[in-house]
Amino acid sequence: GNSVTQMEGPVTLSEEAFLTINCTYTATGYPSLFWYVQYPGEGLQLLLKATKADDKGSNKGFEATYRKETTSFHLEKGSVQVSDSAVYFCALLTQGGSEKLVFGKGTKLTVNP
Amino acid sequence: DTEVTQTPKHLVMGMTNKKSLKCEQHMGHRAMYWYKQKAKKPPELMFVYSYEKLSINESVPSRFSPECPNSSLLNLHLHALQPEDSALYLCASSQAPPPGSLQYFGPGTRLTVL
Repeated sequence: GNSVTQMEGPVTLSEEAFLTINCTYTATGYPSLFWYVQYPGEGLQLLLKATKADDKGSNKGFEATYRKETTSFHLEKGSVQVSDSAVYFCALLTQGGSEKLVFGKGTKLTVNP
Repeated sequence: DTEVTQTPKHLVMGMTNKKSLKCEQHMGHRAMYWYKQKAKKPPELMFVYSYEKLSINESVPSRFSPECPNSSLLNLHLHALQPEDSALYLCASSQAPPPGSLQYFGPGTRLTVL
């Protein structure tokens, strides 16, 4: 079946530190991959996406590259800010009939000043 | 405009009450979704509507009853809920039924069942 595994955290960093949140997936076919972010008390916001192998999604300084050979979509940011504190969800949407967005368990990031 | 709106933002109800959650989008999307999110967990899909017809019901108890009166609106009718149904209920929409369609989420309704 289709699944997403991401590092569970929590992750605590100091401001301006480098961030990596690992995400790997298992899927039939060629899924689209997403990172969503959920700030405290809010709904989900799309952070970035990639729809095919070697695509790089980027937004607000965050990047992730769709790696088919390693079935990975790791999220990175070179210098985090306190305002990046949130829960980050990696997700996949399968091709070919399934209408389900499959989420990882989420990684809570706390950035301290 | 890439906004999905949900009302109310918060809802407290007793186990004998009947209430409804509402979701609206004006992006011309033809697929709409209800998700349930418990604390510290990822969202779980409940229902999918595609072109105003129910296309997926993830074995959700009948005390949750979805309705899609038109292409912009999605309701979730609640009746005889249990305390364990307390959660954040998220609505989402996408341009067309998947595969590959980007889902936009609303801010959610935080439901507490007493």
